[in-house]
Amino acid sequence: TQLLEQSPQFLSIQEGENLTVYCNSSSVFSSLQWYRQEPGEGPVLLVTVVTGGEVKKLKRLTFQFGDARKDSSLHITAAQPGDTGLYLCAASGAGSYQLTFGKGTKLSVIP
Amino acid sequence: DAGVTQSPTHLIKTRGQQVTLRCSPKSGHDTVSWYQQALGQGPQFIFQYYEEEERQRGNFPDRFSGHQFPNYSSELNVNALLLGDSALYLCASSFNPGRYEQYFGPGTRLTVT
Repeated sequence: TQLLEQSPQFLSIQEGENLTVYCNSSSVFSSLQWYRQEPGEGPVLLVTVVTGGEVKKLKRLTFQFGDARKDSSLHITAAQPGDTGLYLCAASGAGSYQLTFGKGTKLSVIP
Repeated sequence: DAGVTQSPTHLIKTRGQQVTLRCSPKSGHDTVSWYQQALGQGPQFIFQYYEEEERQRGNFPDRFSGHQFPNYSSELNVNALLLGDSALYLCASSFNPGRYEQYFGPGTRLTVT
């Protein structure tokens, strides 16, 4: 069973600060996705990365896939209260249709 | 463009009962996956349906079963409910060739008492 470990588990920061959350595994993945989930709702897909070393930017969010395709990071610049939520990484292995999720990082951005 | 829809939104059942949850995929999608999300945890994969067949299954007992209809909608059935089955049940859809990208519905909150 592939496991994804996310850190930190909880993060509370002031508006305008920068932050990075991490997603690590001992397994190699064929793709990795980041989702954001708000209470009582389903996860919303933010980005998919498939190539080792890949970097993708989505406005103030920067996503990186590790060279060995075992880890990823999400960096948020100048966090805003609207960024508050649970950030989940999810990955699938070669030949698998199953998405394995980490436990998530719960982010609170205080105005 | 309608996204993934699920019904009902909330459900309360008693131990030992059976429940059926429903999912309609995003327009143009033909693959449906079901996940269980316990409080404070990430979603866990239950199974995936494609072409009306179960294509892959996670580590869940046979009490969990499903079905996919010709219009690609899907049902999740859980028999002999246990207290531990209380969770948010999420449906995700995708277009088979692009299987990396899964889009989630809002979920059904199941409470077993």
